[in-house]
Amino acid sequence: QSVLTQPPSVSGAPGQRVTISCTGSSSNIGTHSDVHWYQHFPGTAPKLLIYGNNNRPSGVPDRFSGSKSGTSASLAITGLQAEDEADYYCQSYDSSLSGSVVFGGGTKVTVL
Amino acid sequence: QVQLVESGGGVVQPGRSLRLSCAASGFIFSNNAMNWVRQAPGKGLEWVAYISYDGNNKYYADSVKGRFTISRDNSKKKLYLQMNSLRAEDTAVFYCVRERMALRGCLDIWGQGTMVTVSS
Repeated sequence: QSVLTQPPSVSGAPGQRVTISCTGSSSNIGTHSDVHWYQHFPGTAPKLLIYGNNNRPSGVPDRFSGSKSGTSASLAITGLQAEDEADYYCQSYDSSLSGSVVFGGGTKVTVL
Repeated sequence: QVQLVESGGGVVQPGRSLRLSCAASGFIFSNNAMNWVRQAPGKGLEWVAYISYDGNNKYYADSVKGRFTISRDNSKKKLYLQMNSLRAEDTAVFYCVRERMALRGCLDIWGQGTMVTVSS
């Protein structure tokens, strides 16, 4: 069981907006620990999608956005495209686990 | 360009050892902390180990503590993971991952991964 909780799957039609939630606790997201998001196509290297809660690395389309509030975070994809079908993981840092990076269980985004 | 290339994966019997390597290029390796992250078949991402930029600080997931050792050679721009007493549940793709400078826990560059299969 993952330290951070994500829904196993979300889906939407092309052009729609979907959101992925990431729920943590007072020892990880609820502290000053940043939340980062990764996009992963099976068989390839995961890619940093959002860092520091709401920042996009160069080259990431602005239809991807992140937010954080309290012990939760979320990733939004607006104007969903077929190429966005992938697995998405949230990740933070847990102060109760020595040196520990913690991941969510991952969310499969399906474009209908 | 910035690149991480893992090697050393393969099929190994339970209880045996394996050493993974990761060759870095395209950036100043000694500036960044590094991590190993794995993904078991059909499962999500799991952080395995961390090493600071100078090798002085190391942390491990509870699932591998006492069995795995992370190390680095900054002169060779290489990261290592020594895995001992391997178990079937260690079967996974292992990724070498760079940590972004000044942003603890942000994993900004990932290698393609190397597969480790523990089976008799």
